[in-house]
Amino acid sequence: EADIYQTPRYLVIGTGKKITLECSQTMGHDKMYWYQQDPGMELHLIHYSYGVNSTEKGDLSSESTVSRIRTEHFPLTLESARPSHTSQYLCASSTKARDRVYEQYFGPGTRLTVT
Amino acid sequence: KNQVEQSPQSLIILEGKNCTLQCNYTVSPFSNLRWYKQDTGRGPVSLTIMTFSENTKSNGRYTATLDADTKQSSLHITASQLSDSASYICVVSDRGSTLGRLYFGRGTQLTVWP
Repeated sequence: EADIYQTPRYLVIGTGKKITLECSQTMGHDKMYWYQQDPGMELHLIHYSYGVNSTEKGDLSSESTVSRIRTEHFPLTLESARPSHTSQYLCASSTKARDRVYEQYFGPGTRLTVT
Repeated sequence: KNQVEQSPQSLIILEGKNCTLQCNYTVSPFSNLRWYKQDTGRGPVSLTIMTFSENTKSNGRYTATLDADTKQSSLHITASQLSDSASYICVVSDRGSTLGRLYFGRGTQLTVWP
C-alpha cells in the first residue's frame, strides 16, 4: 500500500471561502500530481511537479494553485471556492519502476462540495 | 487525438463468475498500459502495467492482455468476489515527454452480486 495521504477526506464549504487541500507522501518521490475527477468521468490532470520549487499546470484548466516547498508535501489551494469547484481531488506521486515506466501511487482523495 | 475508450460502461455479474473488460486506445507514441481498480470514494490502485513488448500479465485473479498492433487491451477477472465491485480504469502512457503523460478511460463499473 502506498504511503500517500490526503486531508481532509471530505469538505463542505461555502462559496467564497479559501481552502487548502493537503497531500503528503513519505516515499521520497520527486514527481507529484493533482487530478480532478467527477462521478463517472475520467481523471483530469490539473497540476504536476517534477520536484521542489517546480510546478506546472496540467491538461485541465483550473483556478487552483499549488506549491512544492518540500519533497513530501504538495498542497492545492483555492483562493475563492465556487460551486463549480465541487469535485473529487486526487493526489498522486510517482517513481521509476523500470525503463520508461513510472508507477503512480494515488492518495484516497478529497471530496469537495461548495455550497 | 489521444483517447482511451472502455467497454462496457457498467457490468453486473454473480459472485464466482468470470468477466472481461475491454479497452481501446489511440495514444501515440505508446509507452505502457495500466489497469487500475478504484473503489468508491478511494484513489485508484494499480493492478498491472504492460509495456509494448508484453502481451499478458497476471496479478492473482486479474489477467490483462495487450495487443499493441490493434491497440486493444482486456482485463479478465476470474472467480469474482464481492470485493471486486469497483470501477476498473484503463490508463495509457505516452513516451513523448519525460512526464510520461497518462490518458485515462472513464472506467467500467463492475458490480458483483451474491
